[in-house]
Amino acid sequence: SQQGEEDPQALSIQEGENATMNCSYKTSINNLQWYRQNSGRGLVHLILIRSNEREKHSGRLRVTLDTSKKSSSLLITASRAADTASYFCATDAGWTGGFKTIFGAGTRLFVKA
Amino acid sequence: SAVISQKPSRDICQRGTSLTIQCQVDSQVTMMFWYRQQPGQSLTLIATANQGSEATYESGFVIDKFPISRPNLTFSTLTVSNMSPEDSSIYLCSVRAEVNTEAFFGQGTRLTVV
Repeated sequence: SQQGEEDPQALSIQEGENATMNCSYKTSINNLQWYRQNSGRGLVHLILIRSNEREKHSGRLRVTLDTSKKSSSLLITASRAADTASYFCATDAGWTGGFKTIFGAGTRLFVKA
Repeated sequence: SAVISQKPSRDICQRGTSLTIQCQVDSQVTMMFWYRQQPGQSLTLIATANQGSEATYESGFVIDKFPISRPNLTFSTLTVSNMSPEDSSIYLCSVRAEVNTEAFFGQGTRLTVV
């Protein structure tokens, strides 16, 4: 089952512009992660933000987390054509056997050169 | 970090047959997950496979259809049994050391059932 919803489903921007993707989730979480997937390939981890954190930066990436609204956003600044990919948020939910990671629907980002 | 080798990378199979996908990790990891990804869709968790215990399956996935083995901390297999065209998808294995750490993914197995 999928935990979260992401919007927009698809985003097309010009190189140099900023791209913002949003993610909402349903249950309490330990953390929220963002991943990138280039077409037909494995996923690459971008950033992890813990439930007690509100904002985190990594290079051109900025992630925010609002646990009261059960939502997160990923901002990519000064986008490049190489940023073209699908972006997924994922949340860790605890269960009696440990934890499991559930992925959102994803946002397809296309950056035009 | 962890490097994952997933085999085969792709296969075309006849309906009614079975395919076993292997996932080899270059380090010992506690938790391993198997996902399915339909074309253009997100990842759906099939099961969690911890070494030394039975795999835990998500709703909609059953052991008879997707048997999993986890004989040690560096290896796991997922079998897709009695395949039908609806099983055509990308199957991915993923590993995590513990909560609040990143997940690492294999490159996936692209399965086509004809």
